[in-house]
Amino acid sequence: EVQLVESGGGLVQPGRSLRLSCAASGFTFDDYAMHWVRQAPGKGLEWVSGISWNSGSIGYADSVKGRFTISRDNAKNSLYLQMNSLRAEDTALYYCAKDWALGDAFDIWGQGTMVTVSS
Amino acid sequence: QSALTQPRSVSGSPGQSVTISCTGTSSDVGGYNYVSWYQQHPGKAPKLMIYDVSKRPSGVPDRFSGSKSGNTASLTISGLQAEDEADYYCCSYAGSYTFRYVFGTGTKVTVL
Repeated sequence: EVQLVESGGGLVQPGRSLRLSCAASGFTFDDYAMHWVRQAPGKGLEWVSGISWNSGSIGYADSVKGRFTISRDNAKNSLYLQMNSLRAEDTALYYCAKDWALGDAFDIWGQGTMVTVSS
Repeated sequence: QSALTQPRSVSGSPGQSVTISCTGTSSDVGGYNYVSWYQQHPGKAPKLMIYDVSKRPSGVPDRFSGSKSGNTASLTISGLQAEDEADYYCCSYAGSYTFRYVFGTGTKVTVL
């Protein structure tokens, strides 16, 4: 079964850091680009960051550029998001999503990990 | 990097058709044929419904169709069913040779 499982979320104070992980299974992880997408409580989806299969291409939303770093470890079938200088507006459910093989889209999503930034 | 504009809500009776618009710019929707649509039920992860403007993944009912004209993409649900009641989001590549995507503001579809 193709599966993505996020972890690492929690309550963190403004200005602090947190590292999210996404464990992939059921597909050849290093064949696909991967992404992080977030959703603030009661709000819409926001693309956060993406990384190519070999980490050669990386992109960030303007809202997180310079504060967040995406990375992957193909040997461990894992995707990561290092989040520094966290702000209240980063409070959201963070989803890991897999690139669709047949076109430009996200076909497999995890269930998300909740990040709450509050003092 | 502004969100794509969608109507806040649309509604229809069972069997009717509804269309959701998704308006961007020439830097995203209008610049690439890489618009996708996602369905999200409450408390659930999004589900891919349409990719590359008008293509349907296997398993998605053919009641769902996508199109694009200029800077506006559209999702049409024909023969509306109760289980179609959900939030729908469009998404467009906005990259210029790098990873960069933008989602729409989201539309709540209500089946009356």
